Amino acid sequence: AQKITQTQPGMFVQEKEAVTLDCTYDTSDQSYGLFWYKQPSSGEMIFLIYQGSYDEQNATEGRYSLNFQKARKSANLVISASQLGDSAMYFCAMREDTGTASKLTFGTGTRLQVTL
Amino acid sequence: GAGVSQSPSNKVTEKGKDVELRCDPISGHTALYWYRQRLGQGLEFLIYFQGNSAPDKSGLPSDRFSAERTGESVSTLTIQRTQQEDSAVYLCASSLALRRFTYNEQFFGPGTRLTVL
Repeated sequence: AQKITQTQPGMFVQEKEAVTLDCTYDTSDQSYGLFWYKQPSSGEMIFLIYQGSYDEQNATEGRYSLNFQKARKSANLVISASQLGDSAMYFCAMREDTGTASKLTFGTGTRLQVTL
Repeated sequence: GAGVSQSPSNKVTEKGKDVELRCDPISGHTALYWYRQRLGQGLEFLIYFQGNSAPDKSGLPSDRFSAERTGESVSTLTIQRTQQEDSAVYLCASSLALRRFTYNEQFFGPGTRLTVL
């Protein structure tokens, strides 16, 4: 079973509008971390935001916020006031904090296109 | 400061040849990770090194894949007898030592694009 599911292969949003990118996850662990990365066409992976499973408040970083609903196992990324430079692939990832587990498990990504 | 660097940036090889990919992590980062990203897909974990501990090799797809790391420095990922299905971007990342309940951002390198003809 997939541990990270991103159901939106592609999304369009108009400049200056907000957009929500969906991410659901599956784990039986109590301790884990959720990450969002941006990958522009140049290929580098850019860290955007992190949410720990024990964090009570939703994470925010500038125009990025993470809508964390633990009971639903969802960790949606909200980008406010979209900019043309936000056009990229966005990946949700999870790290399970058990034993020596350290790897990130990534979803298949959502391609966001910001239009004028 | 310098980020994670990888070399070569591009590698074209013939099926059956061996290739070596190199990763230089950020100085002071004890954890190092290799991922593979096939065209249009997400990242697949390959292997993880943490200090002098035994590496987590659970993501290596076959025994043709191996990786080494000397101490807390450079790592090389070796693919023997390359196949066309090995064509992908190979990404390396490094982070500070993993600690539970903490945020350990992984910093990614630019990747090596491998094409097997």
